[in-house]
Amino acid sequence: QVQLMESGPGLVQPSETLSLTCTVSGFSLTSYNVHWVRQPPGKGLEWMGVMWSGGSTDYNSALKSRLSISRDTSKNQVFLKMNSLQSEDTTTYYCAREGPGYNLYFDYWGQGVMVTVSS
Amino acid sequence: DIQMTQSPASLSASLGETVTIECRASEDIYNGLAWYQQKPGKSPQLLIYNANSLHTGVPSRFSGSGSGTQYSLKINSLQSEDVASYFCQQYYDYRTFGGGTKLELK
Repeated sequence: QVQLMESGPGLVQPSETLSLTCTVSGFSLTSYNVHWVRQPPGKGLEWMGVMWSGGSTDYNSALKSRLSISRDTSKNQVFLKMNSLQSEDTTTYYCAREGPGYNLYFDYWGQGVMVTVSS
Repeated sequence: DIQMTQSPASLSASLGETVTIECRASEDIYNGLAWYQQKPGKSPQLLIYNANSLHTGVPSRFSGSGSGTQYSLKINSLQSEDVASYFCQQYYDYRTFGGGTKLELK
């Protein structure tokens, strides 16, 4: 069955770099697009960026200068790196799978990983 | 970038009532719209896609409608398990979410 699982540090120092991993199972990263979405506590969802099945990436213009998404298809993993973290980056980070073919909505989500930016 | 304006931000309704949540896009998104339900401490779950198609396993009391820049989610005969936050998402141009609607029981 399809699963996505985020992992990473729960606490990051201000100005440091966040590194998260999304480990997927039940589908191939070369056939499906995987997105990153974040959500501050009690607030709405913000799309961060996408790893396209072909290996290219796109980013939210508001985060583009700080954000990098990559993958290791042999390990079924998608990585997110974001630098210069500040307190407003304290949120829950999700990875989500885009539907098959032209179904561009998110049909499966990970459980999310909460990251706190604090010294 | 396409902006999504969702209303209301919060909503209180009684069991059995019908509720409607609206989403307005800053430009035509040609039915490239999904609705998600998120319960506290959980990840969002897909309800509706392509503006009006019910995702597999979603109760028929949920329905979506709209076109162009205006879309809505309707919940008929509100059940206790529908207490959650609801988000719209456009996928016509990259991805943008609405600000969310928190639905509570009156």
